[in-house]
Amino acid sequence: QVQLKESGPGLVQPSQTLSLTCTVSGFSLTSNSVHWVRQPPGKGLEWVGAIWSGGSTDYNSALKSRLSISRDTSKSQVFLKMNSLQTEDTAIYFCTRSIDYWGQGVMVTVSS
Amino acid sequence: DVVMTQTPVSLSVSLGGQVSISCRSSQSLVHNNGNTYLSWYLQKPGQSPQLLIYKVSNRFSGISDRFSGSGSGTDFTLKISRVEPDDLGVYYCGQGTQYPYTFGAGTKLELK
Repeated sequence: QVQLKESGPGLVQPSQTLSLTCTVSGFSLTSNSVHWVRQPPGKGLEWVGAIWSGGSTDYNSALKSRLSISRDTSKSQVFLKMNSLQTEDTAIYFCTRSIDYWGQGVMVTVSS
Repeated sequence: DVVMTQTPVSLSVSLGGQVSISCRSSQSLVHNNGNTYLSWYLQKPGQSPQLLIYKVSNRFSGISDRFSGSGSGTDFTLKISRVEPDDLGVYYCGQGTQYPYTFGAGTKLELK
């Protein structure tokens, strides 16, 4: 069955870089897109970016200068890297296959 | 970016009752390919969002026929009939016709 699981540090210091991994199973990264969506505490959903089946990427324009999404198809993993983190980046980060199946999410807190 | 406006912000319902949630987009969601990429999600407390409806009116795998979606162009509606306790949470609409993918602010469904 389709599964996605996010992993990464729960706490990141301001101005540092966030690195998250989404490990997937039950589907191929070369046939499906994987998206990142985040949700600040108590707030709504914000699309962060995506890596498409062919390997191209799209990013939220508000985050584009700080964001990179890549993948390792041999390991069925998708990576998110966001630099210059600020407190406003505190959120649950979800990875999702084509925005249908979702991972459980990982809480990231930006704080010193 | 396409702005998604959901109403109401919150809704109280009795078990067994019926409710409707409205979602309006700032521009037509009809894609050049003729499809309309409007989806509905439910986020239960402490969980990740789950896809209920895709392309306006198609129920996702395993979703009860108590959930139905309708609409076209810029106006869309989610109806839930015979409400059960497991239906409570926050409902989001989302559009993937034009990237960035955007979500509505959510409608919280509570028990009366």
